[in-house]
Amino acid sequence: GAGVSQSPRYKVAKRGQDVALRCDPISGHVSLFWYQQALGQGPEFLTYFQNEAQLDKSGLPSDRFFAERPEGSVSTLKIQRTQQEDSAVYLCASSPGSRVEQYFGPGTRLTVT
Amino acid sequence: SQQGEEDPQALSIQEGENATMNCSYKTSINNLQWYRQNSGRGLVHLILIRSNEREKHSGRLRVTLDTSKKSSSLLITASRAADTASYFCATDDPDYKLSFGAGTTVTVRA
Repeated sequence: GAGVSQSPRYKVAKRGQDVALRCDPISGHVSLFWYQQALGQGPEFLTYFQNEAQLDKSGLPSDRFFAERPEGSVSTLKIQRTQQEDSAVYLCASSPGSRVEQYFGPGTRLTVT
Repeated sequence: SQQGEEDPQALSIQEGENATMNCSYKTSINNLQWYRQNSGRGLVHLILIRSNEREKHSGRLRVTLDTSKKSSSLLITASRAADTASYFCATDDPDYKLSFGAGTTVTVRA
């Protein structure tokens, strides 16, 4: 019974570099979410997938952020030309549907120097 | 933007005492959830209460919901050191993504 896993757990990037963050949801979970959590704050919604379809990307801060889930399972969040303000913990969550609890991964802590 | 607001921001209690934290939100909801986050870890779901429910229990946790006041409370009874964590309320906004507050940091002293 594996939970949601994310990799890497920690990532340090120089400003301007591209990064890719991976999320492996719980098998069979239709819904997948990405959240961004700044220090001392609650998570903020970034984007939502139902299977392979990205149904909501309204929370992505800029066009430097891109997410995909091509086969309806693993998802990747890509950030191009990273900036210092991108430093945060990126959380992935999955759930079997909507209006139910979400299961969170441990997060990837991104530090942009 | 975050819909929920937890109160207090921080809480320090002695082991064995009860801890109560409150959450207020702005728009109508289908359900409200509470999550716990230990330092440096992901969030763990604690309890979900639907908009037509007023109170719910799970072990040492009791959650109330008052939709007329747009508020909820989480009570942890007989606290333990392992309850030291940040606690977040989250509302479904609209019915899939979660909108979190800034959280209440609870410290349980031995």
